[in-house]
Amino acid sequence: AQKVTQAQTEISVVEKEDVTLDCVYETRDTTYYLFWYKQPPSGELVFLIRRNSFDEQNEISGRYSWNFQKSTSSFNFTITASQVVDSAVYFCALSEVSSRGSTLGRLYFGRGTQLTVWP
Amino acid sequence: EAQVTQNPRYLITVTGKKLTVTCSQNMNHEYMSWYRQDPGLGLRQIYYSMNVEVTDKGDVPEGYKVSRKEKRNFPLILESPSPNQTSLYFCASSFLVKTGAVTEAFFGQGTRLTVV
Repeated sequence: AQKVTQAQTEISVVEKEDVTLDCVYETRDTTYYLFWYKQPPSGELVFLIRRNSFDEQNEISGRYSWNFQKSTSSFNFTITASQVVDSAVYFCALSEVSSRGSTLGRLYFGRGTQLTVWP
Repeated sequence: EAQVTQNPRYLITVTGKKLTVTCSQNMNHEYMSWYRQDPGLGLRQIYYSMNVEVTDKGDVPEGYKVSRKEKRNFPLILESPSPNQTSLYFCASSFLVKTGAVTEAFFGQGTRLTVV
């Protein structure tokens, strides 16, 4: 079973539209980290944000915002007023802080969402 | 400049010819890892290392070997490459928190490998 599910394979929007990328995760740990990465057409992976499981405050950074809800195991990413430069594949990832140790060192990625922003 | 460096960036090879993809980081990170990226499958972990001389299998370790003799280097070895190992490979490094969990990982630029 996938530990991180990004159900949206592809999303297309027109510039200036708002868009939300969904991420649902699965873990038995009470403490964990969640991440979002961006992969632009050039191919590199760019870290966007880390969220600790004990901090449910939403975060905003410019046009980007993240909504973390433990009750629904979701960590969604919204881009406000999208721009062509936002076109990329976006990955959500999970790292477990397991006292049992069996999953330490594992960083689980979703399959990614390809976002295309048209001018 | 803090970075993870992979070499080569592109490689075309023939089935069965041993190859090594190098990875080096200059951030003194304990943790290093290899991923492969295939269309529709996202990033899948091949091997990871939480410290020197400590390596573990990820989700898709078959056909790969790694070693961690020094903190900064984590080469990926394909002893006998096959066409199904054609993929985009990423090396990553990270600090570990006290319990050993991975924090944000920094990625190399990727190595596009084609095995014919």
